[in-house]
Amino acid sequence: NAGVTQTPKFQVLKTGQSMTLQCAQDMNHEYMSWYRQDPGMGLRLIHYSVGAGITDQGEVPNGYNVSRSTTEDFPLRLLSAAPSQTSVYFCASSYDGLTRSYNEQFFGPGTRLTVL
Amino acid sequence: GESVGLHLPTLSVQEGDNSIINCAYSNSASDYFIWYKQESGKGPQFIIDIRSNMDKRQGQRVTVLLNKTVKHLSLQIAATQPGDSAVYFCAENAFIGGAQKLVFGQGTRLTINP
Repeated sequence: NAGVTQTPKFQVLKTGQSMTLQCAQDMNHEYMSWYRQDPGMGLRLIHYSVGAGITDQGEVPNGYNVSRSTTEDFPLRLLSAAPSQTSVYFCASSYDGLTRSYNEQFFGPGTRLTVL
Repeated sequence: GESVGLHLPTLSVQEGDNSIINCAYSNSASDYFIWYKQESGKGPQFIIDIRSNMDKRQGQRVTVLLNKTVKHLSLQIAATQPGDSAVYFCAENAFIGGAQKLVFGQGTRLTINP
């Protein structure tokens, strides 16, 4: 299994440009999520999905869109990039996000995004 | 709102010594608490977790202690090795709005001195 994969590893955008960060997992996990990590801070939840066709907002959703058309993929879209979105983005997945029991979340390697 | 914070942003220890990393949390409704290790350029890696109905859990060279009275969590690493150098995050997992959500602390950078 490849686990959680993310592309690209690095990206530089100009203000106002749009792009999609890709995330895929091959573990048949139902729960997927996107986090951003800023210097000196922990990860903050952007959006999450408990299954195909279902998405919801996390702590910092503004400026980002997501969709979940398949179990495997969970892309994150920046519609109009802003310098405040310069960050490292991590995708994560776990077996199940709907039960009260914690399921270990597996993280991808991250995408480092710079918005000029 | 919910928050998870750390008492110290950096910690330096001698190789072979024990390390203790502390964390405070604020959400009494959290079900699980997790410690992650993040090496430079990589995503967080699960170390150990503990359920809210436990006060101690041990793994290989690691022990997590949970004190719900004062909302405090700690990670103890025994016989610290150079490979333990990383940033360590605590996170609380709460079941909110019908789904699990992780709230991360700021992180503590652990440096091992030879």
